[in-house]
Amino acid sequence: EDKVVQSPLSLVVHEGDTVTLNCSYEVTNFRSLLWYKQEKKAPTFLFMLTSSGIEKKSGRLSSILDKKELSSILNITATQTGDSAIYLCAAFSGSARQLTFGSGTQLTVLP
Amino acid sequence: SQTIHQWPATLVQPVGSPLSLECTVEGTSNPNLYWYRQAAGRGLQLLFYSVGIGQISSEVPQNLSASRPQDRQFILSSKKLLLSDSGFYLCACPGRGQRDTEAFFGQGTRLTVV
Repeated sequence: EDKVVQSPLSLVVHEGDTVTLNCSYEVTNFRSLLWYKQEKKAPTFLFMLTSSGIEKKSGRLSSILDKKELSSILNITATQTGDSAIYLCAAFSGSARQLTFGSGTQLTVLP
Repeated sequence: SQTIHQWPATLVQPVGSPLSLECTVEGTSNPNLYWYRQAAGRGLQLLFYSVGIGQISSEVPQNLSASRPQDRQFILSSKKLLLSDSGFYLCACPGRGQRDTEAFFGQGTRLTVV
């Protein structure tokens, strides 16, 4: 059974802190790992990772995949209150042709 | 690129009442379609997926059913809602080409069963 585990489940930090969110996966015929940010409504796409060791970056957010360790991290530097959200990790199985989501990390950034 | 329409945005229903949530897709043909449910503050649980008209696969046993009467239409239903059916329901489809492993979501329906 395909599985994605995220940690921590929740995190409270202050503005300006740097955070690292973790994701580990076990899926058959792995194709890609995706990160989403979810505020009040539907998740919004952040990154798609397919190759190990290549960092993807967007502003203060960055992410990297380690296919040997079957894991990925999402880093957020200089956090702002607007970064408060649930961050979802998902792995795509080429066999099942579907995404399996983790339970998410609830990030709260305090002013 | 594809666009997913979901309605209604919010819904409050009494226990035992029926449910019908509709999802339609534009900008693509013969897409795989997915229904997810999200409990408060949690991740997404895949409920159903469909690879074509009339083809539905269920991922978890539950009180809900799904149908795909047309290529770009996916419906989530229940004959009698339970309190445990409360949650945030999302319809999704994959992207195209190099984005075919990425999920595109509708805006979701927040269902509260009272």
